[in-house]
Amino acid sequence: KQEVTQIPAALSVPEGENLVLNCSFTDSAIYNLQWFRQDPGKGLTSLLLIQSSQREQTSGRLNASLDKSSGRSTLYIAASQPGDSATYLCAVGLSFGNEKLTFGTGTRLTIIP
Amino acid sequence: DTAVSQTPKYLVTQMGNDKSIKCEQNLGHDTMYWYKQDSKKFLKIMFSYNNKELIINETVPNRFSPKSPDKAHLNLHINSLELGDSAVYFCASRPTSGRDTQYFGPGTRLTVL
Repeated sequence: KQEVTQIPAALSVPEGENLVLNCSFTDSAIYNLQWFRQDPGKGLTSLLLIQSSQREQTSGRLNASLDKSSGRSTLYIAASQPGDSATYLCAVGLSFGNEKLTFGTGTRLTIIP
Repeated sequence: DTAVSQTPKYLVTQMGNDKSIKCEQNLGHDTMYWYKQDSKKFLKIMFSYNNKELIINETVPNRFSPKSPDKAHLNLHINSLELGDSAVYFCASRPTSGRDTQYFGPGTRLTVL
């Protein structure tokens, strides 16, 4: 059974700093890995999607890496801004087509102005 | 131009009642999902439908019955509501083919008194 863990559960950093969020999964037989953002009272917004054959994806100030063999992914946020404050969720996709996502426990990020 | 919409946004009801949550997507996707996010913010898949057919059922009690009248809709009916059903329920969709992410609705916060 796939289990996804995110560390830390909460993180506060001053504005402008670079930061890294961690995600680990127990079964390396994944199809893809995604990072989502969830704002309070809102739905999830996809940030980055990494296919199992890829090592990383970048979008603006965000960079996500994937190491399938070790069961780890990181989300790097450069030059953090108060607007980055949200909960970040990592999810692994387990099969092509009828994709089933298993979510991590989330990291609640607060950027201090 | 809402992609995935859910109604209602909030639902407060008494234990033992029957209620429904509706989901609609205008993205032309083939696959739709229901997820439950509990009080600890842990997000877990409940059901997946592909072209109106049930694909994934994650050992959800049979008090929960999804209904897909057409490809664009996946409604969730819950019978005999229990206190433990209180959670935020998210609908999502994605195209079956291709390697796109899942698109989430804004969520329905269900409170059972």
